[in-house]
Amino acid sequence: EVQLVESGGGLVQAGDSLRLSCAASGFTFVSYAMTWVRQAPGKGLEWVAGTTGSGETTTYGDSVKGRFTVSRDNSKNILYLEIENLRVEDTATYYCAKGLQYFHYYGMDVWGKGTTVIVSP
Amino acid sequence: EITLTQSPGTLSLSPGERATLSCRASQTVDSDYLAWYRQNPGQAPRLLIHGASNRATDIPDRFSGSESGTDFTLTINNLEPEDFGVYFCQHYSSARGTFGPGTRVEIK
Repeated sequence: EVQLVESGGGLVQAGDSLRLSCAASGFTFVSYAMTWVRQAPGKGLEWVAGTTGSGETTTYGDSVKGRFTVSRDNSKNILYLEIENLRVEDTATYYCAKGLQYFHYYGMDVWGKGTTVIVSP
Repeated sequence: EITLTQSPGTLSLSPGERATLSCRASQTVDSDYLAWYRQNPGQAPRLLIHGASNRATDIPDRFSGSESGTDFTLTINNLEPEDFGVYFCQHYSSARGTFGPGTRVEIK
């Protein structure tokens, strides 16, 4: 069974740093793009960051560029999202999602249940 | 920068009816990179359509996607209880992904 399990969320203070993880299983991790998507409470979906299968290409949404870093360890089947200088507006549920293909252009067919980050002022 | 606009904001329908949802791109986009998702309360999104018109694995043929220029449409025939939720279109271009604001399909 293909599965994604996020972890690392919690209550943090503005200015803190955090690393989210996404453990993948049930598929050949290196063959697929991976993406982080977040959702603020009661709001829509926001595309945060994506990486190709090998991790050689990473891309970011405009609102997070410079503070967020996406990476992956293909030997451990884990996707990461490092967040620096957290802001109150980063409060959201963070989902990791598997791409349909090696490149992250084509949509995301498997999603984790999400991990929640709450940033206090 | 591509902007996706979805309409209507809310659609009130009864089970068994047809839903027609619209997603309009602010400029010409590659339809290969256009996807639709449904999100039910308290759950993660689920991929319905990719490449504008290709159903994802295990998605019933009640769901169909189409395109006309910068307009993309998701049609759901014979609404079932699990179809009531929020639908998002999404596109990838210019080295980033973009989601539309969503259309809520609610029970009338």
